[in-house]
Amino acid sequence: KNEVEQSPQNLTAQEGEFITINCSYSVGISALHWLQQHPGGGIVSLFMLSSGKKKHGRLIATINIQEKHSSLHITASHPRDSAVYICAEMDSNYQLIWGAGTKLIIKP
Amino acid sequence: GAVVSQHPSRVICKSGTSVKIECRSLDFQATTMFWYRQFPKQSLMLMATSNEGSKATYEQGVEKDKFLINHASLTLSTLTVTSAHPEDSSFYICSARDDWVSYEQYFGPGTRLTVT
Repeated sequence: KNEVEQSPQNLTAQEGEFITINCSYSVGISALHWLQQHPGGGIVSLFMLSSGKKKHGRLIATINIQEKHSSLHITASHPRDSAVYICAEMDSNYQLIWGAGTKLIIKP
Repeated sequence: GAVVSQHPSRVICKSGTSVKIECRSLDFQATTMFWYRQFPKQSLMLMATSNEGSKATYEQGVEKDKFLINHASLTLSTLTVTSAHPEDSSFYICSARDDWVSYEQYFGPGTRLTVT
């Protein structure tokens, strides 16, 4: 059974802190998504990666295929980064299997 | 990046009526579209997958006669909630991908349905 586990479930930090959210999955995957969901509900795809590391602005995503682990990092965090961050693995049928999400709150 | 729109963003309807939600890919061809449902503080739940021009594939436990999905063109899919009941109140999100380009999904902003 494919499972995706995220940690932590909830994270509160001060503005400017370096944030790390972790994601572990149980079986081999085609790729892994990191997504952001704001309180209004809309979902934004941040990254899709199958190896190595990707960077976009203050966001960095890494994946270790051997360890079946991925991390999302936010540098110089800002209150507008407050959202739910979700990792989802893409299985061999190219369907997404969702993690439960990490609720991030950045305090000014 | 690829943009997916949904309409309406919010809808309130009475029990027993039907509601149609549209999902459009604005700048790419969506060979595959997905419909998700999200309950408060829970993960997205895949309801169905549709490929342009063919019948949708529904996930186990999703009533195909209640949630009608039409993917008639490469840029439009619709979800119709028929004979809506209060328990159908939820947040519905669509996503789309162009399988000829990549398997990355692009998400719509979601539709909040409230059935009174």
